[in-house]
Amino acid sequence: DAMVIQNPRYQVTQFGKPVTLSCSQTLNHNVMYWYQQKSSQAPKLLFHYYDKDFNNEADTPDNFQSRRPNTSFCFLDIRSPGLGDAAMYLCATSRSGQGTPSGRAGEQFFGPGTRLTVL
Amino acid sequence: AQTVTQSQPEMSVQEAETVTLSCTYDTSESDYYLFWYKQPPSRQMILVIRQEAYKQQNATENRFSVNFQKAAKSFSLKISDSQLGDAAMYFCAYRSSRSARQLTFGSGTQLTVLP
Repeated sequence: DAMVIQNPRYQVTQFGKPVTLSCSQTLNHNVMYWYQQKSSQAPKLLFHYYDKDFNNEADTPDNFQSRRPNTSFCFLDIRSPGLGDAAMYLCATSRSGQGTPSGRAGEQFFGPGTRLTVL
Repeated sequence: AQTVTQSQPEMSVQEAETVTLSCTYDTSESDYYLFWYKQPPSRQMILVIRQEAYKQQNATENRFSVNFQKAAKSFSLKISDSQLGDAAMYFCAYRSSRSARQLTFGSGTQLTVLP
């Protein structure tokens, strides 16, 4: 089945120690998103890639970076995690632009998330 | 900027009964998409139902249906014949049909299904 995969599902890191979260997709979607979700809150968009174009949200801290080496993979790098960065990180994908079925426009598919703990 | 409001942080429903979750939104646009997402305790976000603003007919997916009131900017979700597996956090979300591609989420409604 086509899907969005996130690895690892659980990540523990130390305060200030860089960490990378991984997302891959078999849907061949051209847009990939990273969200941060804290307990009992709505997901908050950090940034997204439209094809190779990176789009950062205005309030995303510089501590968060992303890479998309190819269509299938996207990484979230947290350069110096703080205690406040402990959260669930959700990857999502969507298809946008020419050829998108009208019934699927705007729909995002989510991965299972990576729960990050910062000690 | 668009905002999405879910005024019910928590709801409960008896198994086999019907429950309605409320959502209102604010936008100046005429063309957009609305979604209800479900996030069970396993935390994977799953799309429940979607509605295109240009469609007058309310969307239906099996036991899930919406009441879309465009003029009132209201988008409620009705779950019929509730099942234990429906217990989850439900998020209402808005997406512009224009250049912005991100979803704007409401704060969520935690639904409990009582046996």
